[in-house]
Amino acid sequence: RKEVEQDPGPFNVPEGATVAFNCTYSNSASQSFFWYRQDCRKEPKLLMSVYSSGNEDGRFTAQLNRASQYISLLIRDSKLSDSATYLCVVNGGGTSYGKLTFGQGTILTVHP
Amino acid sequence: SAVISQKPSRDICQRGTSLTIQCQVDSQVTMMFWYRQQPGQSLTLIATANQGSEATYESGFVIDKFPISRPNLTFSTLTVSNMSPEDSSIYLCSVQENYNSPLHFGNGTRLTVT
Repeated sequence: RKEVEQDPGPFNVPEGATVAFNCTYSNSASQSFFWYRQDCRKEPKLLMSVYSSGNEDGRFTAQLNRASQYISLLIRDSKLSDSATYLCVVNGGGTSYGKLTFGQGTILTVHP
Repeated sequence: SAVISQKPSRDICQRGTSLTIQCQVDSQVTMMFWYRQQPGQSLTLIATANQGSEATYESGFVIDKFPISRPNLTFSTLTVSNMSPEDSSIYLCSVQENYNSPLHFGNGTRLTVT
């Protein structure tokens, strides 16, 4: 099982749609979780951290389910500018403490 | 968050040569890392750049191929040695405030080896 696994997509949605991505992780001792956005030919940029209680930032909502070992990202009212690759990142626990592991990314395309 | 400047932003190199990538941060940071992103792939950690001591390399990466310097808390270099076309990739410098913090990345170096 991969340490961090995402559905690679691609997801093709119309403007205004709601889209959700899931990401599973294998290390139950993982401590912190993040979603990054990467535009084509650019470096990854932090979209949001994921907290145990769930958190929201405008149209974006992130949730963590420790029991099932997955995190999710929900994007409401999609915009054309949301088209990008979304990377799930997990900070490992135990012997991997401090090491961040990246998922393979989920490609989102929002079309008019 | 810290401003991270990486150069060169891109380069085309011949096989057998070496390229040194520089990473400059506008503030002192404890943790600096070098990642690689091969075409169509996600990010893979090459090594942790340790200030004043040898870098800590991940499995599959060795010092002879990817020597790293970290002379102080604001600067690091990564050298890609004796390059082959398989080294064509994006190389990214990143920093982290503490173990539970997110990473912040430099703009990356796009390397093509012919």
